[in-house]
Amino acid sequence: DSGVTQTPKHLITATGQRVTLRCSPRSGDLSVYWYQQSLDQGLQFLIQYYNGEERAKGNILERFSAQQFPDLHSELNLSSLELGDSALYFCASSVDRRGGRTDTQYFGPGTRLTVL
Amino acid sequence: QQQVKQSPQSLIVQKGGISIINCAYENTAFDYFPWYQQFPGKGPALLIAIRPDVSEKKEGRFTISFNKSAKQFSLHIMDSQPGDSATYFCAPLRSQGNLIFGKGTKLSVKP
Repeated sequence: DSGVTQTPKHLITATGQRVTLRCSPRSGDLSVYWYQQSLDQGLQFLIQYYNGEERAKGNILERFSAQQFPDLHSELNLSSLELGDSALYFCASSVDRRGGRTDTQYFGPGTRLTVL
Repeated sequence: QQQVKQSPQSLIVQKGGISIINCAYENTAFDYFPWYQQFPGKGPALLIAIRPDVSEKKEGRFTISFNKSAKQFSLHIMDSQPGDSATYFCAPLRSQGNLIFGKGTKLSVKP
């Protein structure tokens, strides 16, 4: 158990809909990362938040957005869903001491999204 | 552009054998070189990692070999066990950055 929790575990929805995925980082971790895993694209970085602020963006679609709340949990919002958005979505967290060395990222169990 | 190239795509090894997975990278700004292990239905978990100031790191049956000049690093699993059957990813990153995952290697260890 990594200490990172994600809800829900599974999500089935229809094209055009909007969903929210939730992540709670390990206690004390300031950074939250979102990754998407699909058969054709592999594991891809979407976005990172550090202590409530967006720090880095990867291959995140404009239909997707995220935020990190004062209690450090994060939500990934996916809207106008398409069939191709079906994937596993992982959240990871790390301590990320400012100015310090790179810290290990710990992954949650993921949310499997199926768009029908 | 593909910053990380991992090989082989799949690997079958007999129990007790040595599994070797390779990773080549392009970005010289990477300063942390981890390998992640993922079982079906689970999230990736850090297996072992190395920083570029050393050429080898060993933890139990798992060893990372790092060649900075060639921009390559590899994972060696000694005495491979059926329980090691999983998908392995190299995922180098820059300081306080995001992981750049390789395509993964599916390892099957036959009893």
